[in-house]
Amino acid sequence: ELKVEQNPLFLSMQEGKNYTIYCNYSTTSDRLYWYRQDPGKSLESLFVLLSNGAVKQEGRLMASLDTKARLSTLHITAAVHDLSATYFCAFRPMNRDDKIIFGKGTRLHILP
Amino acid sequence: EAGVTQFPSHSVIEKGQTVTLRCDPISGHDNLYWYRRVMGKEIKFLLHFVKESKQDESGMPNNRFLAERTGGTYSTLKVQPAELEDSGVYFCASSQGQGTPYEQYFGPGTRLTVT
Repeated sequence: ELKVEQNPLFLSMQEGKNYTIYCNYSTTSDRLYWYRQDPGKSLESLFVLLSNGAVKQEGRLMASLDTKARLSTLHITAAVHDLSATYFCAFRPMNRDDKIIFGKGTRLHILP
Repeated sequence: EAGVTQFPSHSVIEKGQTVTLRCDPISGHDNLYWYRRVMGKEIKFLLHFVKESKQDESGMPNNRFLAERTGGTYSTLKVQPAELEDSGVYFCASSQGQGTPYEQYFGPGTRLTVT
């Protein structure tokens, strides 16, 4: 079965704190994605991770990939209110046409 | 360059009525995808067009859903008759090609509420 387990699904945290969102995916993949969605807006691509050990950082967000464990993490450093959004983890299974398999999303609320 | 656009942004209809959602992909993108997120669940793939042809429609929930892409440009997704469980956000995405390195670009979604 093609699926993504994302946790936590809801996260309320104080500004300035650090936290990590975890993403486990079910099968071999050639691409692991992290998206951000603000209410009523498009899914914004944050990171595309291609290979084992890949690490990408953009501002206070850092994503990593362990293909052997089929695990990706999204780490938030010194959170600020502007990072409040829903974050989706997703992957594209190898040799399975072109569909992207998504997790349920993590709704992140950062308290000022 | 304009991104993927979807219309309407929100639709509220009664059970048994018909609704048609529209997606305009990025100009020049041959691939068009529909996805759906039912509240509290994951975003799920519905189908994939390459130009005007359906490449993969394995995610379509049932025969009340009809997707078309005449002329290989914009696409419509019709739900007829709508049921309560069809409520959710319908996303469209487009890509220039298939597989690596082509990425899918998503629209803002249409929120469908069936009452």
